[in-house]
Amino acid sequence: DSGVTQTPKHLITATGQRVTLRCSPRSGDLSVYWYQQSLDQGLQFLIQYYNGEERAKGNILERFSAQQFPDLHSELNLSSLELGDSALYFCASSGAEQFFGPGTRLTVL
Amino acid sequence: DAKTTQPTSMDCAEGRAANLPCNHSTISGNEYVYWYRQIHSQGPQYIIHGLKNNETNEMASLIITEDRKSSTLILPHATLRDTAVYYCIVRVSNSGYALNFGKGTSLLVTP
Repeated sequence: DSGVTQTPKHLITATGQRVTLRCSPRSGDLSVYWYQQSLDQGLQFLIQYYNGEERAKGNILERFSAQQFPDLHSELNLSSLELGDSALYFCASSGAEQFFGPGTRLTVL
Repeated sequence: DAKTTQPTSMDCAEGRAANLPCNHSTISGNEYVYWYRQIHSQGPQYIIHGLKNNETNEMASLIITEDRKSSTLILPHATLRDTAVYYCIVRVSNSGYALNFGKGTSLLVTP
């Protein structure tokens, strides 16, 4: 158990819809990272927050956004969903090393 | 971050040592070698990291060549539960930067 929690575990939705994925970092960790893993792209960094502020952006689409709240949990919002957004979404929190949550499997039908 | 090269796949018999190589010939002096693994569809798991000295923990050993251009992760007594994709990542320690996962090595441990 990494100490990082993610909800929900599975999400099935339709194209065009909007979903929110939630992540709670390990106690004391200020950084949260979001990664996407699809079959053809591997693990790709999306975005990082540090203590409520956006720190770095990776290959995140404009349809996607994230935020980190004062209690340090983070949410990843995915809108206007397309079939290609089907993937595993992981969040990680960081002290010296990154610790990953169990992921949310998103299926867009 | 420096680029890494790993074999696509490897096999290992259960109980034997698994030696996973990684080339990182462009590594900079302040970059560490990190290893993570991902067991099927689970979140990646940190294994070990090192700068230039060999490192050992309860999971594995990391051997880094003197010129730091390559390294080997050693799982001393592989079990079926070690079947996973292993990622070698080079980065500045504690930089706070995201991890740049490549394709990794798919290790299959067989009975």
